[in-house]
Amino acid sequence: KAGVTQTPRYLIKTRGQQVTLSCSPISGHRSVSWYQQTPGQGLQFLFEYFSETQRNKGNFPGRFSGRQFSNSRSEMNVSTLELGDSALYLCASSPYMDPRPGELFFGEGSRLTVL
Amino acid sequence: GENVEQHPSTLSVQEGDSAVIKCTYSDSASNYFPWYKQELGKGPQLIIDIRSNVGEKKDQRIAVTLNKTAKHFSLHITETQPEDSAVYFCAAPGGGSQGNLIFGKGTKLSVKP
Repeated sequence: KAGVTQTPRYLIKTRGQQVTLSCSPISGHRSVSWYQQTPGQGLQFLFEYFSETQRNKGNFPGRFSGRQFSNSRSEMNVSTLELGDSALYLCASSPYMDPRPGELFFGEGSRLTVL
Repeated sequence: GENVEQHPSTLSVQEGDSAVIKCTYSDSASNYFPWYKQELGKGPQLIIDIRSNVGEKKDQRIAVTLNKTAKHFSLHITETQPEDSAVYFCAAPGGGSQGNLIFGKGTKLSVKP
């Protein structure tokens, strides 16, 4: 079974630009979560989508947004990029067959550098 | 909200020794505590988890213990091997949905041959 696939793996942007990152979950997984990983703040929850609906959102500004498509693939967008947005953006999927918390399956991430 | 503290931030051991990483959490209602391993250039991968109805869980060389009264849980790795070298994260539920986890800041484990 293929794992979680994230594209692009690496990208460089300049301040003020916007970026879109893509995530394809494991086949059959309906829940997709996004995390930002930085050396200073660690892993921080951005948002979670299930059945094309945002289920939960972390404490990030409105510049960070996402969506999920009918095939469970998800995208996240960051507008008006700031230097502090440089980070590894991780996508995680889960089958969401149990309402209790369970294993998240992470992709390898998209490393964003903002110059 | 939930807060997770993890110690130590770095840990160096000789191959064959044991390694212990400790985490504390703040929300007494938390009921699920996973441990993730992140190798260089990879995403985190679940290695073991424990729910609040048990005090200990083992999987070969890895074990996790949970003390609900003290609100702390620990990862124990025995007979460490060089391939155990990685960054380890503990986590607890952040609430609101299944995919929201609050992670500790991580422990960089180095196993010297």
